[in-house]
Amino acid sequence: DAMVIQNPRYQVTQFGKPVTLSCSQTLNHNVMYWYQQKSSQAPKLLFHYYDKDFNNEADTPDNFQSRRPNTSFCFLDIRSPGLGDAAMYLCATSSDRATNQPQHFGDGTRLSIL
Amino acid sequence: RKEVEQDPGPFNVPEGATVAFNCTYSNSASQSFFWYRQDCRKEPKLLMSVYSSGNEDGRFTAQLNRASQYISLLIRDSKLSDSATYLCVVNNRDNDMRFGAGTRLTVKP
Repeated sequence: DAMVIQNPRYQVTQFGKPVTLSCSQTLNHNVMYWYQQKSSQAPKLLFHYYDKDFNNEADTPDNFQSRRPNTSFCFLDIRSPGLGDAAMYLCATSSDRATNQPQHFGDGTRLSIL
Repeated sequence: RKEVEQDPGPFNVPEGATVAFNCTYSNSASQSFFWYRQDCRKEPKLLMSVYSSGNEDGRFTAQLNRASQYISLLIRDSKLSDSATYLCVVNNRDNDMRFGAGTRLTVKP
């Protein structure tokens, strides 16, 4: 059974048109992450939530925002997608930030920009 | 210098071969270590955690050398299904996970 669910699997949007990617989890994990992964590159952490505490990476562009309305859901908003934002976006969860648990990933959303 | 560096690959090996991947990390305060496997256009999946004493899971053996800041993964008796990209992941304090760029493995018949 899927425990970290991302929707949609594939998303196509127009240049500059806002887009929202969603992630939900059934694990009741308190930490949720968003990564961007481009072809043949390592996943790049954009930000993470520890409960409601938002932690932004220093080099994440302002164009990327996130919301976590409750434990189960987390959203990635791209306000004005550019061609360089085409990538796989991965959501991950872990059970506790302090105990260094492995992360559980969703299937990812592949974003294309026209 | 990248925080986590891996063998560039790709590795192309015949079925049944033994193959080893190496990974070095720059943060001496790193606390936990993992190997993930990622299939083409799929999400990373945890292969195994890496413990200080070294650990084995079937055909897979992971080693950690904290003094040298080095992690390895050994795959014995390679199967076609082992073809994937193997990501070295280092977890700093407070679950600050850093990924290597991955090493691609292709096992051929």
